[in-house]
Amino acid sequence: KQEVTQIPAALSVPEGENLVLNCSFTDSAIYNLQWFRQDPGKGLTSLLLIQSSQREQTSGRLNASLDKSSGRSTLYIAASQPGDSATYLCAVLPTDSWGKLQFGAGTQVVVTP
Amino acid sequence: GAGVSQSPRYKVAKRGQDVALRCDPISGHVSLFWYQQALGQGPEFLTYFQNEAQLDKSGLPSDRFFAERPEGSVSTLKIQRTQQEDSAVYLCASSLWMGARANEKLFFGSGTQLSVL
Repeated sequence: KQEVTQIPAALSVPEGENLVLNCSFTDSAIYNLQWFRQDPGKGLTSLLLIQSSQREQTSGRLNASLDKSSGRSTLYIAASQPGDSATYLCAVLPTDSWGKLQFGAGTQVVVTP
Repeated sequence: GAGVSQSPRYKVAKRGQDVALRCDPISGHVSLFWYQQALGQGPEFLTYFQNEAQLDKSGLPSDRFFAERPEGSVSTLKIQRTQQEDSAVYLCASSLWMGARANEKLFFGSGTQLSVL
């Protein structure tokens, strides 16, 4: 069974520092890997989607890499801001599923002014 | 609609009560998913619809959980005889096609937070 792990579980950084969030998965048979943001009491907002054939995706201050062979993805957030405080979840879409995303438990990020 | 809409946002139920949670997907989206998110955990898959057909219900935790999407748009997740362990956030998501393509995104609603006392 696919397992997704996110390390660290929580992270606190001062404003302006770069954030590095890690995600690992056990089975490389995936369609894609997605990074989501979740604010307290809210749903999930999709940040980046990396297809299995891609190595990275970028959107503004966000950059996500994917190394499918080693089962790893990293989300970089440059020059963090207090508004980046949220929980970040990664999820993989296995090739034997219909939209059955497999999520990690998330990394809770606090950016202090 | 502009996004996935879920109602109610919060539901408090007494143990043993039946509850119904509603999801309005993005108009025209073929696929609809229900996920359950326990506190401090990532969402866990419950069930999947393609139009009105329920193609996968392998994640439903017990036969007290039932989902339907009779006309291929709005979906309802029903929980009978609620138990304390049912307390969680229930998230609905939709996707344009079958949710199984490399470039296909799922769009999530804000969820319904269920508390069973």
